[in-house]
Amino acid sequence: DTGVSQDPRHKITKRGQNVTFRCDPISEHNRLYWYRQTLGQGPEFLTYFQNEAQLEKSRLLSDRFSAERPKGSFSTLEIQRTEQGDSAMYLCASSFPFTGELFFGEGSRLTVL
Amino acid sequence: RKEVEQDPGPFNVPEGATVAFNCTYSNSASQSFFWYRQDCRKEPKLLMSVYSSGNEDGRFTAQLNRASQYISLLIRDSKLSDSATYLCVVNPNTGNQFYFGTGTSLTVIP
Repeated sequence: DTGVSQDPRHKITKRGQNVTFRCDPISEHNRLYWYRQTLGQGPEFLTYFQNEAQLEKSRLLSDRFSAERPKGSFSTLEIQRTEQGDSAMYLCASSFPFTGELFFGEGSRLTVL
Repeated sequence: RKEVEQDPGPFNVPEGATVAFNCTYSNSASQSFFWYRQDCRKEPKLLMSVYSSGNEDGRFTAQLNRASQYISLLIRDSKLSDSATYLCVVNPNTGNQFYFGTGTSLTVIP
């Protein structure tokens, strides 16, 4: 399968714990995006990378969130000291530059108890 | 003000009907516009880009009105398989963020 893959698909954690999600983009894509989606809402932009450089980060993104793409290939999104409001689907997408076609993974669903 | 606003619906239409969705965007300098489709519990997928002159892909027609800052999607001869959420997406500048609307839910009824 050469699509975008995300791991884990589901994560249940207790409030205050740290969680990390991984995204493996399509190998030829140098842009990688993280979005968050809650029920009844569209995907909300979190951050994006071009190769290993994190070029934009949402103003809404708390300091508890950090993302990396160390070698310009896979990316990780870490949430520290999780809160119940962090419960959502975390979507990763990749693309070639200057195209509007984002290829999404199936997402990582986070539930914070 | 949100970057992109959509009527969330839901739209419930019979098979064969024509249905139209609209979406407005706030940044007049926005460059690129798209419609994505998201099936229940699945990831969004690109349905079509929206070009200034309007464009058609089979039963789907997308139009852009820059003066009024809205885009539209028209679906003709609705099929049961068209049931999904349709997301309006705007790229406000070149190749950076993509802002998604809340999505419009469509159910096509037999």
